[in-house]
Amino acid sequence: DAGITQSPRHKVTETGTPVTLRCHQTENHRYMYWYRQDPGHGLRLIHYSYGVKDTDKGEVSDGYSVSRSKTEDFLLTLESATSSQTSVYFCAISEAKTGLFTEAFFGQGTRLTVV
Amino acid sequence: KQEVTQIPAALSVPEGENLVLNCSFTDSAIYNLQWFRQDPGKGLTSLLLIQSSQREQTSGRLNASLDKSSGRSTLYIAASQPGDSATYLCAVTRIKAAGNKLTFGGGTRVLVKP
Repeated sequence: DAGITQSPRHKVTETGTPVTLRCHQTENHRYMYWYRQDPGHGLRLIHYSYGVKDTDKGEVSDGYSVSRSKTEDFLLTLESATSSQTSVYFCAISEAKTGLFTEAFFGQGTRLTVV
Repeated sequence: KQEVTQIPAALSVPEGENLVLNCSFTDSAIYNLQWFRQDPGKGLTSLLLIQSSQREQTSGRLNASLDKSSGRSTLYIAASQPGDSATYLCAVTRIKAAGNKLTFGGGTRVLVKP
């Protein structure tokens, strides 16, 4: 299994509070991603990073921010959590070798409930 | 906008039967296609990656084909086992996209009955 650790694995938080999810990798992969998975919507990209301090928005980025100060860590922050952000969040990593992307590897997920 | 569809959403087969899972995408200009397996409450496990220049990939009982011109990929699982019960997801990367950003299908939930 790829070395990806998400923390926390489960969290319940109140509406309006800030929340930070952490993704830590030991593979030294350049690319890191945050996805959310919801019934009826499948998996959707929130933000991604293509290097330290290099990030960009995905399909559903509103209400989320990210930071990557080290290759191994990618943080996802909900500035002010809302009930619509109740979801399962997955971190993924990928690399590019000889011009081709390798397969993406996913973490075990963080189940976030906003009450 | 790339859209990925997986039909059927669910299927049930008896043990030993071959599984055929379908994935279609609207924009044929893809960079690669990846198949994943997801068990309930778990993360995604990568099964096969097909680069855009490839027609198929094989791993053990799994074989995935790619037809870019028709916008289709098929995952074959030979001689299914109860342990193959899971949700199978396909995902594509758009060509020239910055980073290996994936667009997912909705998945096919598979039940293999003993």
